[in-house]
Amino acid sequence: QQQVKQSPQSLIVQKGGISIINCAYENTAFDYFPWYQQFPGKGPALLIAIRPDVSEKKEGRFTISFNKSAKQFSLHIMDSQPGDSATYFCAASIKDYKLSFGAGTTVTVRA
Amino acid sequence: EAGVAQSPRYKIIEKRQSVAFWCNPISGHATLYWYQQILGQGPKLLIQFQNNGVVDDSQLPKDRFSAERLKGVDSTLKIQPAKLEDSAVYLCASSFALGAGANVLTFGAGSRLTVL
Repeated sequence: QQQVKQSPQSLIVQKGGISIINCAYENTAFDYFPWYQQFPGKGPALLIAIRPDVSEKKEGRFTISFNKSAKQFSLHIMDSQPGDSATYFCAASIKDYKLSFGAGTTVTVRA
Repeated sequence: EAGVAQSPRYKIIEKRQSVAFWCNPISGHATLYWYQQILGQGPKLLIQFQNNGVVDDSQLPKDRFSAERLKGVDSTLKIQPAKLEDSAVYLCASSFALGAGANVLTFGAGSRLTVL
């Protein structure tokens, strides 16, 4: 049973464009929502995270938007670069316990 | 700071054989996790240790999978006997303390298992 649903499965964006990945959840007890970035042959690495008491968090070119009423959150990659080409996973947990991951989105940035 | 070390990186076995994966977490990290990542899917938690005790193993197929962390440092995940559907990358992660929020999970590069 997948607790976090992620879309799209893959996307292609031109260099300088905006990549948007969406995630939805059902369990309203979730209180921590991180995004992980994974390059081929590597383990996932934390990119950015948000808690439900804020609607947006920005770190450099990466922004999380959080909509508590809709139970949705999204990752925006601004000014996408070829080095951003990777698989991105959204995740959620309750009280920092038992992280549940989405299925992943493969982002390809074309130069 | 050295990362999470895992070995072997790749393993190919026949179904019904056994295999073991080893993980050495970041020094000082009390919590250790084993995740299974099937191709095209997100990681799924198999087992979580706090020091040498099991916190959660609810998704570990205990009829064939076992894991231990005897001295509260490194850990071994064993599969016996392996099935075709066990083909996946097995990721080890560690964090300073229990939880994935305030304490960030650091993942190893994973051990890729192919069962023929």
